[in-house]
Amino acid sequence: KAGVTQTPRYLIKTRGQQVTLSCSPISGHRSVSWYQQTPGQGLQFLFEYFSETQRNKGNFPGRFSGRQFSNSRSEMNVSTLELGDSALYLCASSFGGPQETQYFGPGTRLLVL
Amino acid sequence: AQRVTQPEKLLSVFKGAPVELKCNYSYSGSPELFWYVQYSRQRLQLLLRHISRESIKGFTADLNKGETSFHLKKPFAQEEDSAMYYCDPETSYDKVIFGPGTSLSVIP
Repeated sequence: KAGVTQTPRYLIKTRGQQVTLSCSPISGHRSVSWYQQTPGQGLQFLFEYFSETQRNKGNFPGRFSGRQFSNSRSEMNVSTLELGDSALYLCASSFGGPQETQYFGPGTRLLVL
Repeated sequence: AQRVTQPEKLLSVFKGAPVELKCNYSYSGSPELFWYVQYSRQRLQLLLRHISRESIKGFTADLNKGETSFHLKKPFAQEEDSAMYYCDPETSYDKVIFGPGTSLSVIP
C-alpha cells in the first residue's frame, strides 16, 4: 500500500505571498490531519478533515485554511506568509480520525524569506 | 485546559541502561493513548498504542489512570533508539494535542 505523499517537498516563499500544499492519503483513509512542526513549538495541530468536512481545528489564525476533495486528497493554504510560518508541514491520514493510528507523510519544508 | 506534558525535552542515557520517557496528560474521560517516534531523516511513525498492549522494539507503555500518565519504558536502551518521541493522548471530541516531544540520545 502506498504511503502518504506530500507535494512539494521543499518550498521557498517571501513574506506576503501565499502557498498551497498538497497531501495524498493512504488509499481508503478518509481522515487527513495537518500539523506544523518547528524546533521551538514541536508538533502543533492545524486542522483535520473527514469526508470533505473540517472536523477539528487548532489554534491557528485564519490565514491557515484547508480543504479536502472527494478522493480524500487534501490541500492546505497559507495566505499572507510571515517569517514565523517557516516550518515543516506534516499531513497524516487515518481511517476514522486521530483516535486511530495516524500515518504521516514526509512533510513539506517551507521557508519564508 | 487539556494539556499534555513531556517534562524532559532532552534525555541522554548510556547504551544498555534503562530508559523512561514521561508523559502526563490532563484530559477528562478516557483518551486513546499513542507514542509516536521520529528517527533522524525519517517520517513520524507510530511506535505503540495503549489499546494494543504490545511491546514494540522492546518498548512498553503503561497507563496509570490515577496519575494520568502514560510513560514509555525500555529496560535496555540501544543506539538505534535515539530519536524524537511524542506522546499523543486522543479523545473523540477534543482538539488534537501532541506532547512537546522528548529527544532521546543513547550514548554508545
